[in-house]
Amino acid sequence: DVKVTQSSRYLVKRTGEKVFLECVQDMDHENMFWYRQDPGLGLRLIYFSYDVKMKEKGDIPEGYSVSREKKERFSLILESASTNQTSMYLCAGGQSNSYEQYFGPGTRLTVT
Amino acid sequence: GQSLEQPSEVTAVEGAIVQINCTYQTSGFYGLSWYQQHDGGAPTFLSYNALDGLEETGRFSSFLSRSDSYGYLLLQELQMKDSASYFCAVAGGYQKVTFGIGTKLQVIP
Repeated sequence: DVKVTQSSRYLVKRTGEKVFLECVQDMDHENMFWYRQDPGLGLRLIYFSYDVKMKEKGDIPEGYSVSREKKERFSLILESASTNQTSMYLCAGGQSNSYEQYFGPGTRLTVT
Repeated sequence: GQSLEQPSEVTAVEGAIVQINCTYQTSGFYGLSWYQQHDGGAPTFLSYNALDGLEETGRFSSFLSRSDSYGYLLLQELQMKDSASYFCAVAGGYQKVTFGIGTKLQVIP
């Protein structure tokens, strides 16, 4: 069974802190994605990666960075957390020849 | 850029049929996907249409018209468990997808 796991379900951080959100997939998929989901805005793509050490900006990359040192792991980094980054963060994986994405359970991040 | 439009809310009766429409404006269109998300859950993939026409998977069907930049998701024999949000998503390069804001479907007895 395909599985995408995220390091935390809930996270509370203070403004200005550096935040790491981790995502691991066991599917050997080439592509990995980070989204944020906010009410009334749907899912918005932050960054994605189509190979190890490769990354591409999505639609809202400002204030975020990513790291993919190993195929199974894709990390989202908030360099200096701000209150407008309070959101649900969803990680997904997918094969290079498919548009089907498999999502993790999400991390609800609150920045105070 | 890319933009998608779908209704924000739909209510339907258990056992009935409901259609959720999606229109899009995009460059570099590869196809249209649909995802289901229950409250508190992760989105799950339902279907992908690359070509015009209807694709059927059990009680769910998805339709695409590339010339009209339009698609829909059809749910038949509605069940209470179908109450969820449904997202259409435009597929682009690198298997990247752009999601709509989602349609919240409420199934009532």
